[in-house]
Amino acid sequence: GDSVTQMEGPVTLSEEAFLTINCTYTATGYPSLFWYVQYPGEGLQLLLKATKADDKGSNKGFEATYRKETTSFHLEKGSVQVSDSAVYFCALDVYNFNKFYFGSGTKLNVKP
Amino acid sequence: DSGVTQTPKHLITATGQRVTLRCSPRSGDLSVYWYQQSLDQGLQFLIQYYNGEERAKGNILERFSAQQFPDLHSELNLSSLELGDSALYFCASSPGQGGSYEQYFGPGTRLTVT
Repeated sequence: GDSVTQMEGPVTLSEEAFLTINCTYTATGYPSLFWYVQYPGEGLQLLLKATKADDKGSNKGFEATYRKETTSFHLEKGSVQVSDSAVYFCALDVYNFNKFYFGSGTKLNVKP
Repeated sequence: DSGVTQTPKHLITATGQRVTLRCSPRSGDLSVYWYQQSLDQGLQFLIQYYNGEERAKGNILERFSAQQFPDLHSELNLSSLELGDSALYFCASSPGQGGSYEQYFGPGTRLTVT
């Protein structure tokens, strides 16, 4: 069935370190892929998205590329800040089937 | 502030009871989605409505039901509550349906079943 798998956390990094959070998916049809971020005590916010293969989503220094051949959508940031500490969710939306799946979330802790 | 409002913020109730969670989408958004976030199950999609009609169903229990009213607000009804229903319930809205539209999440309703 359709699903999203993302790396388990927590991930602890020092400020200015490079970040990668892995996300792989399985899906019927042609999904759109998303990264959402949840700051403490808040709802989820869209961070970036990609709607077709080879698209790159980017926002606030974060990037992810839709790789159909490896069914992946890894999140990267070149230099993290303390303010990036949050839980990150990878998600897919199989439009034709109106299915929405979220990964289990990866908690990121950035230390000064 | 996403523009999506949810009431109440917190709800404490006993097993076997019934509760109603309310969601008002962003102005102009036609789709409403409900999600359950719990420690052991993560974030699970429950159900989606578009302009008053049910469009997609996820892992929603039979004890749960939802509807979207003509003014586009939505309610999630949870009945015969069990301890395991304790979770954060999020509502999200989007202008349309499908992957080209961003979902805007509300702040959530924290339900505690004792």
